[in-house]
Amino acid sequence: EIVMTQSPATLSVSLGERATLSCRASQSFGDSLAWYQQRPGQPPRLLIYGASTRATGVPARFSGSGSGTEFTLTISSLQSEDFAVYYCQQYYDWPLYTFGQGTKLDIK
Amino acid sequence: EVQLVESGGGLVQPGESLRLSCAASGFTFSSYEMNWVRQAPGEGLEWISFISDTGKTIYYADTAQGRFTISRDNAKNSLYLEMNSLRAEDTAVYYCARLAGNGWSPLDHWGQGTLVIVSS
Repeated sequence: EIVMTQSPATLSVSLGERATLSCRASQSFGDSLAWYQQRPGQPPRLLIYGASTRATGVPARFSGSGSGTEFTLTISSLQSEDFAVYYCQQYYDWPLYTFGQGTKLDIK
Repeated sequence: EVQLVESGGGLVQPGESLRLSCAASGFTFSSYEMNWVRQAPGEGLEWISFISDTGKTIYYADTAQGRFTISRDNAKNSLYLEMNSLRAEDTAVYYCARLAGNGWSPLDHWGQGTLVIVSS
């Protein structure tokens, strides 16, 4: 099983500032990585796939990077609606998907 | 618009069974592979099961193997999860989620989820 580890567990950032979230995999798998956003009481929403491709309708302030074992989600200028929990997920070991434990992004 | 609507959740006692359903609309259901993913209260996401577009290929997470059965009815645009021998640790919101493409793809659409509580 590929173990996904996200850091930090909680990130406090001010409106308009940049947020950088990290995800590390226990083994290398190229770019078969997705990021999801989950707001309270809502299902996850696909943000990024292929490590760096934005899903349909996702604002350009969201960007993903990385490959192998180290991945990053960057939100360039935080808006109020961006405060949520973010999960990374590997789909290389399909269909035995594994998710990170999540990073909660809250307002500083 | 793609819609996935889960139903069938509720409060059950340990050892009992429950059948979850997911009604799909807004896309050609029979062309997509589907999954169940769950989320325990206050916890992260856990993949539970996969079923191919034809229903012929099925996979389970270890936690579901032998107790849960995934199935689909393409004529009814519906996905199902039969859960037996339920345990307290199965308490979670259960989401159905569509695979974006065949095979190595992310989950591009999710339902709102249905809550299962296993408690005596």
